[in-house]
Amino acid sequence: KAGVTQTPRYLIKTRGQQVTLSCSPISGHRSVSWYQQTPGQGLQFLFEYFSETQRNKGNFPGRFSGRQFSNSRSEMNVSTLELGDSALYLCASSFQGGDTGELFFGEGSRLTVL
Amino acid sequence: AQSVAQPEDQVNVAEGNPLTVKCTYSVSGNPYLFWYVQYPNRGLQFLLKYITGDNLVKGSYGFEAEFNKSQTSFHLKKPSALVSDSALYFCAVRDDEDKLSFGAGTTVTVRA
Repeated sequence: KAGVTQTPRYLIKTRGQQVTLSCSPISGHRSVSWYQQTPGQGLQFLFEYFSETQRNKGNFPGRFSGRQFSNSRSEMNVSTLELGDSALYLCASSFQGGDTGELFFGEGSRLTVL
Repeated sequence: AQSVAQPEDQVNVAEGNPLTVKCTYSVSGNPYLFWYVQYPNRGLQFLLKYITGDNLVKGSYGFEAEFNKSQTSFHLKKPSALVSDSALYFCAVRDDEDKLSFGAGTTVTVRA
């Protein structure tokens, strides 16, 4: 069974631009969560989608948004990029989310904002 | 508010020695606790979880964790560490909104 696939793996943007990251979950998984990982802040929860609906949202500004498609693939978008948005963005999938807790992570998309 | 703390930024052990990575938690209800490991330039991998039942939980790669309710701890252990265990380890707790809150992480270095 294929794992969680994130694209692109690496990207460089400049301040003010916007970026879209993609995540394909494990087949059959309906929950997709996004996390931002930085050396200073660690792993911060962005949002979770389940069956095309946002189920949870972390404490990030409205510049961070996401969506999920009917095939469970998810995208996240960051508009008006700031230097502080440089991070590793991790996507994780699970069958249903919630208290099963076992998330399957992709290898991440490393964003550098110049 | 739910939270989890990993008091040690780094843990260094010699290969073959026991490895312990500490984690304490704070939750309002029953704790759902997890350990994940991250190898360089990779995503996180699930190691083990405690939901209910036995306080000693066994997981992947020979790791185990002991849940201690009175000390609100969930320390990760391995009896005999390997060089390949060198990685970043995260403890996590599920909060009331079904989100996983992660600790800051502990870098484990196992020297040959």
